[in-house]
Amino acid sequence: DIVMTQTPLSSPVTLGQPASISCRSSQSLVHSDGNTYLSWLQQRPGQPPRLLIYKISNRFSGVPDRFSGSGAGTDFTLKITRVEAEDVGVYYCMQVTQFPWTFGQGTKVDIK
Amino acid sequence: EVQLVESGGGLVQPGRSLRLSCTASGFTFGDYAMSWFRQAPGKGLEWVGFIRSKAYGGTTGYAASVKGRFTISRDDSKSIAYLQMNSLKTEDTAVHYCTRGPYGGAAWFDPWGQGTLVTVSS
Repeated sequence: DIVMTQTPLSSPVTLGQPASISCRSSQSLVHSDGNTYLSWLQQRPGQPPRLLIYKISNRFSGVPDRFSGSGAGTDFTLKITRVEAEDVGVYYCMQVTQFPWTFGQGTKVDIK
Repeated sequence: EVQLVESGGGLVQPGRSLRLSCTASGFTFGDYAMSWFRQAPGKGLEWVGFIRSKAYGGTTGYAASVKGRFTISRDDSKSIAYLQMNSLKTEDTAVHYCTRGPYGGAAWFDPWGQGTLVTVSS
């Protein structure tokens, strides 16, 4: 199984300041079709997960442009340019390149 | 509005069965793969399994932890996906979410239902 490792596991951030989450996979997430199926999800307190980013860097419909994804191969990053109060929650990276689909442990973002 | 609503969760004894439903609205259900995920209390997300659309054979895939015990099916005429859970174990206790996807060559998952809690305990 592909192991997804996120850092940090907790990220206290000042409102208006940037935040960055790293996700590293135990093997390359490049699929045989050439695509890299790495997504980022947000889970606000008491809510179901919500898709933010798919295929490394594609923002899903309705996602604010302060969220961006980057990376390649085994190293990926989610960045929030200016954290807002509504961004509080747990963020997960997820790979669907190879079965079984796996998640990172989650990174909790809260306000200092 | 595209929406998914899970139902069927509850308290069940170890070794018993439960069937969850995921009722879809706001989109052409039969055109999409559907997936199930779960989240144990206070823990992270775990993939359970998925079912392709009929156009892609309606085939299924499962996580090792549920393979042979859980079965995913779909009724496109009712826009419902099912998760049949047999031989339940205490470690199956979790909120179970259904989601539309993976979609096409982008492999995105949206939306996610609110989830239904399954508690396995004697």
